[in-house]
Amino acid sequence: QSVLTQPPSVSAAPGQKVTISCSGSSSNIGNNYVSWYQQIPGTAPILLIYDNNKRPSGIPDRFSGSKSGTSATLGITGLQTGDEADYYCGTWDSSLSGVIFGGGTKLTVL
Amino acid sequence: QVQMVQSGDEAKKPGASVKVSCKATGYTFTTYAISWVRRAPGQGLEWMGWISADNGNIKYAQKFQGRVTLTTDASTSTSFMELRSLRSDDTAVYYCTRGRGRGTSDVWGKGTTVTVS
Repeated sequence: QSVLTQPPSVSAAPGQKVTISCSGSSSNIGNNYVSWYQQIPGTAPILLIYDNNKRPSGIPDRFSGSKSGTSATLGITGLQTGDEADYYCGTWDSSLSGVIFGGGTKLTVL
Repeated sequence: QVQMVQSGDEAKKPGASVKVSCKATGYTFTTYAISWVRRAPGQGLEWMGWISADNGNIKYAQKFQGRVTLTTDASTSTSFMELRSLRSDDTAVYYCTRGRGRGTSDVWGKGTTVTVS
């Protein structure tokens, strides 16, 4: 059972928009920065979003992040079949003194 | 470009130890930390710990305390993760990552599969 809660799966059609939620508490999301990672099957994760809403160079602006209180959200617009992957939120937990990840959300582009 | 190059896949017996290496290239090794993360089959990402490549400060996840050791060799820009007393549920892909602070891993190695059987 992960400290951060994500929906197990989401789906949408190509070209549509999807959001993935990540719910935590004041010891993690509420007082720390959130990152988002994409893991395409058979490959290593890549960083999509850091510091709640910043994109590393090379990540298209179809990907966005936001945070409000103890929850964070990843948004993906203009869905493509290549976006099918597992998506994870991550942050520091001050009580555990460690990095924690959500359980992951499998995105299916129908 | 920045890369984290990991050692090859390993097959181990229960009770044995494994040591995975990770060579960092394309940046000044001592300016970032190294974090280790694993993903077991059918499971999500799990953080194991991080080590500062500058001063050697270490933080281990509680779950692995006493069973894992992280080290670095600045002369070769290489980090090592040793996991002891292996069990079948340690079967996983182990990733080394560059830690950019605030719990973020911005560059990931391709992963090393450790199979315990």
